[in-house]
Amino acid sequence: DTAVSQTPKYLVTQMGNDKSIKCEQNLGHDTMYWYKQDSKKFLKIMFSYNNKELIINETVPNRFSPKSPDKAHLNLHINSLELGDSAVYFCASSLRSGVEQFFGPGTRLTVL
Amino acid sequence: QQQVKQSPQSLIVQKGGIPIINCAYENTAFDYFPWYQQFPGKGPALLIAIRPDVSEKKEGRFTISFNKSAKQFSLHIMDSQPGDSATYFCAASIAGNQFYFGTGTSLTVIP
Repeated sequence: DTAVSQTPKYLVTQMGNDKSIKCEQNLGHDTMYWYKQDSKKFLKIMFSYNNKELIINETVPNRFSPKSPDKAHLNLHINSLELGDSAVYFCASSLRSGVEQFFGPGTRLTVL
Repeated sequence: QQQVKQSPQSLIVQKGGIPIINCAYENTAFDYFPWYQQFPGKGPALLIAIRPDVSEKKEGRFTISFNKSAKQFSLHIMDSQPGDSATYFCAASIAGNQFYFGTGTSLTVIP
C-alpha cells in the first residue's frame, strides 16, 4: 500500500524520558512534516523538511529534534518529556510545499 | 496570529440537513484552499480543494464556495449523513510554501 506510516501508534511514558517516533512515506514525495494535535483538535505544524533539508521550524522547544535520514523518512526525537507534550503527533508528506498533504495515522503520546 | 479563521467550532445537524462551515483569510497571496476531513483516531484526509480562479467546486455532496473579494470560503455538505460526522479543517497555502490550517469544526449529524 502506498501511504504515510508512523510507529508506534501509541506511546505511554514517564516524564523526563526520551522517546522517538518514526515516519516513512512511499509516495515519492519531496516534503515531509510533523504536526502536533492537541486535545482541542488544533493542528499545529512543528517542522517541515524538503529533500532532507529543514525548511520550517516553528516555535517548538529544542527538546524536539527532527531527523531525516533520507527523503522517505522523517523521525521525531523528543528529549526530557513533559506533561504538556501529551498529544497526537501526525507525520505528513506532499509532493512539494504548499500542495496536498497526505497524513499518517498519528501517534498518541501520553506523558505520565 | 491565526492565518485562517474557521467557524463554527462545532455544529450539530439532522440527517439530510446542509451544514456550512466558514473560513476567512487575510493573505491575498494564498492560491490553494483545501478542506480536510478527520475521523476519530485517524489522520486528516483531503476532501476537496479549490483555487481562487473559480467561485465554486462540487465533488459529490461536498461543495466549496469561494468569495475572493471577501477573502472567504466555505464548505457545504448536501444531504448530510451520520457517516459525515467528523472534524473538518480548512486550510490555505501559497504554492511552494507553508500550509495554514484553520482551528477545525466538529460536525455531528444526528440520524
